[in-house]
Order: sequence, then C-alpha cells, then structure tokens
Amino acid sequence: AQKVTQAQTEISVVEKEDVTLDCVYETRDTTYYLFWYKQPPSGELVFLIRRNSFDEQNEISGRYSWNFQKSTSSFNFTITASQVVDSAVYFCALTAGQGAQKLVFGQGTRLTINP
Amino acid sequence: DAGVTQSPTHLIKTRGQHVTLRCSPISGHKSVSWYQQVLGQGPQFIFQYYEKEERGRGNFPDRFSARQFPNYSSELNVNALLLGDSALYLCASSLLYEQYFGPGTRLTVT
Repeated sequence: AQKVTQAQTEISVVEKEDVTLDCVYETRDTTYYLFWYKQPPSGELVFLIRRNSFDEQNEISGRYSWNFQKSTSSFNFTITASQVVDSAVYFCALTAGQGAQKLVFGQGTRLTINP
Repeated sequence: DAGVTQSPTHLIKTRGQHVTLRCSPISGHKSVSWYQQVLGQGPQFIFQYYEKEERGRGNFPDRFSARQFPNYSSELNVNALLLGDSALYLCASSLLYEQYFGPGTRLTVT
C-alpha cells in the first residue's frame, strides 16, 4: 500500500520569506513517481512537478525547488521569496508500480502568504 | 490547447437521486481518471479508464460507476446519492505519468 503524509496542515508566512513544505511517502515498489500539485481557491489542481524514483537530482524552477531524498522517503518543496499569489493548498502525491496511474494524495498543506 | 473540461460546474441534488458528471480530456490523452475530494482532504481515487477499459478502481461502493467513450471523454455516474457524496469531483487526463486536472464539479447533496 502507498501512503503520503504532509504533517503541516497550515503554514502562514510574511511575503518574501522562504517556506518549505514537507512530504513523506511510503511504498514497497521500487518504481514510483512523486508529484506536487497546487490547488488555488478556484479548486483546480495545477501540476507542478513529477519526479521518478530513479532520479534523485534536485530540481529548481524559478522560485520553486524540490528536494528528493530516498534515504528519508521525503520529497520536500521550497518556495523562495514567497509571494501572495503563492497562497494555495499544496498536495504531494505518489503513484507506484508498472503502468501506475492511481495517485495517492497527502492531506495537503494550506499555505497563506501575508503581505 | 484546451485543458481538461468538466460539466456541470455545480450541481445540487437530493438524497436518493442519481447524478452524471462529464469530462473531456486534453486532446491526444487516452486515459481519464476520476477523484473525489471532500472538503479539507486530499483527492481520493475513484476510477481510471484507458482506451475505454477500466484500469483501476478505488475503494468506493458500487453506486459509483463510470465509462469512457470512443472519443476518450468520460462519464461518472453516482446512484442513490447520500449526504456524504457531497464533494468536489475531479477528472484528470494523462498521456504518460503526469495527470492534468479539470476544474471539477462541485456536487451538493441535500
């Protein structure tokens, strides 16, 4: 069985602060994929990144960066110099196994960026 | 290119009624998945269809059913609605591993 845990239910920071969202996953499969999605108040889930289990290289995209560590089963997400538009609920998700398609989501972290 | 579209946007139904939700995937995507998101929780997987065949089913009762059409659009049907079925229903389409979500249908059961 797969499981994703996002221990931080809510985070509130002041604009321009850096913030890290934690994600811990569980799976027995050796082939798996990790994702981050953003859900603004409109409700639509916006795809941010996919990482496969064979690629532990960290990734940076503008103010966003992701740290994947298989040793600790973690896939953390950092926003640098946060902005009010970053306010949303962020979900970490996992899919595993050959031809995997079922996404298992964490409970989400509600991020509020205050001006 | 158009993204995933879902209809209707909002729906209010009474307990015991039946509902049909519709989804059109991104052009070229042959896989469609359905998720239920209850307020304050992460989405829960309901079904996945690929090339009109069911490829996966989540832990939902038989009141929930779905199908995929030759043009890869999909319908989710829920019979005998319960108050607990009130949720945001999300459809996602995929080509490989990334799933792209539509805006969802918010279902309220009274």
